[in-house]
Order: sequence, then structure tokens, then C-alpha cells
Amino acid sequence: DSGVTQTPKHLITATGQRVTLRCSPRSGDLSVYWYQQSLDQGLQFLIQYYNGEERAKGNILERFSAQQFPDLHSELNLSSLELGDSALYFCASSDRDRPNQPQHFGDGTRLSIL
Amino acid sequence: QQPVQSPQAVILREGEDAVINCSSSKALYSVHWYRQKHGEAPVFLMILLKGGEQKGHEKISASFNEKKQQSSLYLTASQLSYSGTYFCGTVPNAGGTSYGKLTFGQGTILTVHP
Repeated sequence: DSGVTQTPKHLITATGQRVTLRCSPRSGDLSVYWYQQSLDQGLQFLIQYYNGEERAKGNILERFSAQQFPDLHSELNLSSLELGDSALYFCASSDRDRPNQPQHFGDGTRLSIL
Repeated sequence: QQPVQSPQAVILREGEDAVINCSSSKALYSVHWYRQKHGEAPVFLMILLKGGEQKGHEKISASFNEKKQQSSLYLTASQLSYSGTYFCGTVPNAGGTSYGKLTFGQGTILTVHP
């Protein structure tokens, strides 16, 4: 158990819909990262937050947005969903925002678009 | 740019050794190694920093060649539990602006048979 909690574990929805994925970092961790894992694209970095502020951005689509709240939990919002958005979405956390720190992954949310 | 891992897949018998390589075309600040079992979250193994080496597990070690921008993961006396997909994640040496943004390789599938 990494200590990172993601909900829900599974999400099934239709094209055009909007969903929110939730992540609670390990106790004491200030940094949260979101990753997308699909068969054809592998594990892709989406976005990083540190203590409520956006720190780094990857190839995140404009239809996707995220935020980190004062209690440090984070939400990833996906809108106007397309079939290609079906993937496993991971949240990870680390103590701070430095590149020399391990990131601990949650169990992921499996998103299926029908 | 995504780092390149080799080999793509390895099949071993218990007790055998393996080496997995991760190469980048960019100057790197750090290399992170993770293991992921099917349907589960990636699990942190260790971090290699430029100018140093950090060992995370007893029978699993790694090195980082800064001249070649290549890291190698060494698994000795493999056990059945070592089976899974191994990913390297890299952070470029970008003067501190990369924070924790990891770019992952495509993964190496390791299968250990009895």
C-alpha cells in the first residue's frame, strides 16, 4: 500500500460526458502528479501540482484540467470524453517538487468510454 | 523525448541475472526505476542522480553513466516475484525547472519461470 488513495477505481461512461477523478496523497506529501497509461501511448505525464500550485505540465489536452485543494487532495477533470480517453489514470505523490524524490503511485482509476 | 529501454522483453529462470538499459538523448538530472505488475500501480525501486548512485533494494541495483546518458538496472539471482514490467523515468537536467516531471520509457517485460 503506497498510501496514495484514488477514487473511483473504475469509471464507465459515454462519449461527450464529463468525469472527475480524485486523489489523496500520502500523509505529508505536498506534490501530486497525474499520469495516463494506455496500451499505445504507455505511461504519460499529464500535470504536477505542489502545495496548491501548478508546477509542470505535460501533453495534457485542453479538455482536461486539474487542481489541488488546500487539504492537498487533487482532482483531475476530463470533459467532452472521447473513445481514445479510455485508459488507466494514475496519481502519484512525493514529499516535495524536486526531481530527486521518489513518486509513490496510487492504484489508479480505470476509465472506460463506451 | 521518451527514453529508450532495451531489451523489450526478457525471459529468465529463477536464479538467473538480467540487465535492463535505459538511454536518453537528453542530459539527465535523474533516472527513476519502477516495476509494475499487470493491473497494478507502478512501484518505486530506486533513483539514480547525476554524479551519484542510489541503491533501493538488496538484489536490485542500478548505475548511471552520465557521459552516455544511460542507466542500467541489474537484477541478480532473480525470483518469481521479480516478474513484471520495468519502467525507467527520466528527468532532464534543465536547471531546476523540470521539477518532478517524469518521462517514461516504453517498458521492459520481465518474466521469471520456476
